[in-house]
Amino acid sequence: ETGVTQTPRHLVMGMTNKKSLKCEQHLGHNAMYWYKQSAKKPLELMFVYSLEERVENNSVPSRFSPECPNSSHLFLHLHTLQPEDSALYLCASSWRGSNYGYTFGSGTRLTVV
Amino acid sequence: GEDVEQSLFLSVREGDSSVINCTYTDSSSTYLYWYKQEPGAGLQLLTYIFSNMDMKQDQRLTVLLNKKDKHLSLRIADTQTGDSAIYFCAEKDNNNDMRFGAGTRLTVKP
Repeated sequence: ETGVTQTPRHLVMGMTNKKSLKCEQHLGHNAMYWYKQSAKKPLELMFVYSLEERVENNSVPSRFSPECPNSSHLFLHLHTLQPEDSALYLCASSWRGSNYGYTFGSGTRLTVV
Repeated sequence: GEDVEQSLFLSVREGDSSVINCTYTDSSSTYLYWYKQEPGAGLQLLTYIFSNMDMKQDQRLTVLLNKKDKHLSLRIADTQTGDSAIYFCAEKDNNNDMRFGAGTRLTVKP
């Protein structure tokens, strides 16, 4: 149990579907993050939420839409994705501003067909 | 661009030492990190080093930091098959967000 839970673990979706990824943390952290992990590429930071406000959006296409309803939950809403969006999507949480590391979930393996 | 760079693959024999290298970009980074990712799992923080240190040892793990060259390394002594995983180097950027490398896949052969 890492303290950060992501669901589902695996997701296959068509390019016209709409789906959502969910992340939950009960560590009392005040920041949550979405990262995209593709083979042989650095982890790409997608979105940062601090105290439930989005503080960063690193030029992510609008087909990815994050939502942070409270400090424990983070969603990534997906619609009209492309095959190149297939990747492992990782959620993490931390105390923003501290030098402690992040706590990661196990990720959602997304395949777009 | 500003990337954290690592070689992608490393293969060692069980019992040997492994050395995973990383170069980072931000000379003002105060902390540098090593994470481990096992198959089917997220990243797990292994260790970190404060930038005013040259070395940190934690059981079989030794982290070496060369600030002048912006070079970080992770040495695993007496490498075991259970150490097979992907190892990520990371630094905090100017926005205080974690910036990662692409990861080094360590394979340990019996």
